Amino acid sequence: KAGVTQTPRYLIKTRGQQVTLSCSPISGHRSVSWYQQTPGQGLQFLFEYFSETQRNKGNFPGRFSGRQFSNSRSEMNVSTLELGDSALYLCASSLTSGRAREQFFGPGTRLTVL
Amino acid sequence: DAKTTQPNSMESNEEEPVHLPCNHSTISGTDYIHWYRQLPSQGPEYVIHGLTSNVNNRMASLAIAEDRKSSTLILHRATLRDAAVYYCILRDPMNYGGSQGNLIFGKGTKLSVKP
Repeated sequence: KAGVTQTPRYLIKTRGQQVTLSCSPISGHRSVSWYQQTPGQGLQFLFEYFSETQRNKGNFPGRFSGRQFSNSRSEMNVSTLELGDSALYLCASSLTSGRAREQFFGPGTRLTVL
Repeated sequence: DAKTTQPNSMESNEEEPVHLPCNHSTISGTDYIHWYRQLPSQGPEYVIHGLTSNVNNRMASLAIAEDRKSSTLILHRATLRDAAVYYCILRDPMNYGGSQGNLIFGKGTKLSVKP
């Protein structure tokens, strides 16, 4: 069974631009969560989608948004990029939503904002 | 989510057992103890989880104290591939639906394995 895939793997943008990252979950998984990882803040939860509905949202500004499609694939968008948005963005999928389920992580998208 | 405390770093020799401790003195009765690890340049991966009884799987063993205020992840024979940051996370399975369906990561323990 194929794992979680994320595209692109690396991305370089400049301040003020916007970016869209994509995540394809493991086949059959309906829950997709997004995390941001930086050296200073570590791994922080962005949001979770289940059956095309946003279930939970972390403490990030409205510039960060996401969506999930009927095939469970998910995208996250960051508008008006800032230098501080440089990070590794990780997507994780699981069979169901809820706090007990195991999450499977993708390799991440490394975003650099210049 | 309840707070966990882990040492910042640990060292081990290859092919020796490793015991990674985690303190969670404010754990509630329904919190599961989860362990994830993150190898360099990769996303985190699930290792093991348990509630009260000790658990074993192909990757590791989880020993849970009788009062559940601490736990230990045991790697029986460390390999170079086990060098990673190990995260101990508490998650309450009773909060389904619109509650916190996410993992709250702390700083974790960076494990170094010497050949």
